[in-house]
Amino acid sequence: NAGVTQTPKFQVLKTGQSMTLQCAQDMNHEYMSWYRQDPGMGLRLIHYSVGAGITDQGEVPNGYNVSRSTTEDFPLRLLSAAPSQTSVYFCASSYSGQREAFFGQGTRLTVV
Amino acid sequence: KQEVTQIPAALSVPEGENLVLNCSFTDSAIYNLQWFRQDPGKGLTSLLLIQSSQREQTSGRLNASLDKSSGRSTLYIAASQPGDSATYLCAPGLGGSQGNLIFGKGTKLSVKP
Repeated sequence: NAGVTQTPKFQVLKTGQSMTLQCAQDMNHEYMSWYRQDPGMGLRLIHYSVGAGITDQGEVPNGYNVSRSTTEDFPLRLLSAAPSQTSVYFCASSYSGQREAFFGQGTRLTVV
Repeated sequence: KQEVTQIPAALSVPEGENLVLNCSFTDSAIYNLQWFRQDPGKGLTSLLLIQSSQREQTSGRLNASLDKSSGRSTLYIAASQPGDSATYLCAPGLGGSQGNLIFGKGTKLSVKP
């Protein structure tokens, strides 16, 4: 049971480049979400999904896109990377809003 | 807007001590509350989940309590060990069953041998 898998683990981008952070879970969880973690701040919600085909914005959605075509996958797209998007990104999933959340190991992104 | 505060921000204790980590939140309309552990450069590991209808949960040397009406939760760690050194995060779950968590900044715990 792999749980929540994020790829890549590390990435360096140049300003203006685009990329997709991958997140996959094998627990048949309906709920998936993306958070970013910055020094001195708590984790902040970027986007979330309550099921395939359904997504919504969190606290800090600007500059990011998501889609949920399958239950298993929830990719996060950076449209035009900016230095302010340098952060550690975490994907999470849970069976429902009332159940335990499981997190991936994170993607450390640096935008230069 | 839900705000979560964790006190203390950092804590250093000798091995064997019992300790309490505190978490307070401003909006009591929560579905549940989770405590996580984060090791340096790693992801979050769920320690305990307390539903809004519960008062406490226990797992091994860990006990978490929840006082929803006063907006407080505590994580009690008994007989601390060096392997407990990590950052501990508190995260109330928002109402509406969306499953979204609001995180505090964490308490960085160091247990000295």
